[in-house]
Amino acid sequence: EDQVTQSPEALRLQEGESSSLNCSYTVSGLRGLFWYRQDPGKGPEFLFTLYSAGEEKEKERLKATLTKKESFLHITAPKPEDSATYLCAVPYHGGSQGNLIFGKGTKLSVKP
Amino acid sequence: DADVTQTPRNRITKTGKRIMLECSQTKGHDRMYWYRQDPGLGLRLIYYSFDVKDINKGEISDGYSVSRQAQAKFSLSLESAIPNQTALYFCATSDRGTGGYGYTFGSGTRLTVV
Repeated sequence: EDQVTQSPEALRLQEGESSSLNCSYTVSGLRGLFWYRQDPGKGPEFLFTLYSAGEEKEKERLKATLTKKESFLHITAPKPEDSATYLCAVPYHGGSQGNLIFGKGTKLSVKP
Repeated sequence: DADVTQTPRNRITKTGKRIMLECSQTKGHDRMYWYRQDPGLGLRLIYYSFDVKDINKGEISDGYSVSRQAQAKFSLSLESAIPNQTALYFCATSDRGTGGYGYTFGSGTRLTVV
């Protein structure tokens, strides 16, 4: 069964304190791993797509990396505005192209 | 205007009532999806449609139905609402040209069934 597990469930950081979020997956024939950011009361917003082990993508203070079994979202010197829930997702194995299975997310809080 | 618009934003309804949630998009995307989000369970796929004549069940379709009225419109119906359908519902769109996975989400409909 395809699964996506995110850890930790919640993370509290002080402003400027760098850390990483983890997304592990068990799917055959990975067709990409996707990161989204969700603010309270809003829909998720697309951040990154990673397709192959070793690939990295960056956006401001965020950097996503991918291995054969997991992905990390590194947050460097975070600011309070980085507070949000971060979701990762992978395509269903064998499913119709375009369907994603989402992890439960990591809720990040950055205190000033 | 938002790329993906969901109406209503909030709705309280009674058990047994029929309710429709609507979604419209201006992205020009061919694919549309309905997900529900529950605390501790994450996002789960209810139905999806790859074009106007294509409707597919997702992971948790029981108790729901959908209609794709046009490329830009995709509605979700609860035929007889029950309390465990209380959740945050999201519509999303994607474009086959990008592999179909770069979803654009609406802002959600918070549904409460009492």
